[in-house]
Amino acid sequence: ELKVEQNPLFLSMQEGKNYTIYCNYSTTSDRLYWYRQDPGKSLESLFVLLSNGAVKQEGRLMASLDTKARLSTLHITAAVHDLSATYFCAVDQSWPGGYQKVTFGIGTKLQVIP
Amino acid sequence: NAGVTQTPKFQVLKTGQSMTLQCAQDMNHEYMSWYRQDPGMGLRLIHYSVGAGITDQGEVPNGYNVSRSTTEDFPLRLLSAAPSQTSVYFCASSPGTYLPLEQYFGPGTRLTVT
Repeated sequence: ELKVEQNPLFLSMQEGKNYTIYCNYSTTSDRLYWYRQDPGKSLESLFVLLSNGAVKQEGRLMASLDTKARLSTLHITAAVHDLSATYFCAVDQSWPGGYQKVTFGIGTKLQVIP
Repeated sequence: NAGVTQTPKFQVLKTGQSMTLQCAQDMNHEYMSWYRQDPGMGLRLIHYSVGAGITDQGEVPNGYNVSRSTTEDFPLRLLSAAPSQTSVYFCASSPGTYLPLEQYFGPGTRLTVT
């Protein structure tokens, strides 16, 4: 059974600081996803990482994937209040016949304090 | 495009009642899925479908039923509602199997079972 673990689960940080969220997963997979969820809202896709060493950046967020270590990081640079949200990583597994399942981590709730 | 739509937005049921949560997408996506989100547990996969007529169980399928008669629609049926099914339910879709499962989420249905 695939397990996806995120840490920390809660993160309170000051504006302007840098921090990293970690996502570990338990079985082989080359495809990892990061999502953002604002309070009371749905999820929106941030990054899709498809191979070992993949790095994607959007604004103050940068995600990377190390498939050998089964680890992805989401790095926040010079945080601003608008980044306050819950961030989820997710990993997919596939089987013959086209079946695929996605397993989500519990999420990291980020609060950026002015 | 409307994307992924879900109805209703809110629902209150009594224990033992049945109901259907509706989900539709207009992006011609093959892959559709249902998740429930509970505090502290992230998103858990209930059922998913890799195309019309093909469904499979996820992590927490008990008490739920699905069918996929068209590409566009993927309803979730609660057979006999229980308080443990109080949750927020999200439907999601993705372009297709064998492709990266970057999912597009609906707005969610908040269900309370009393």
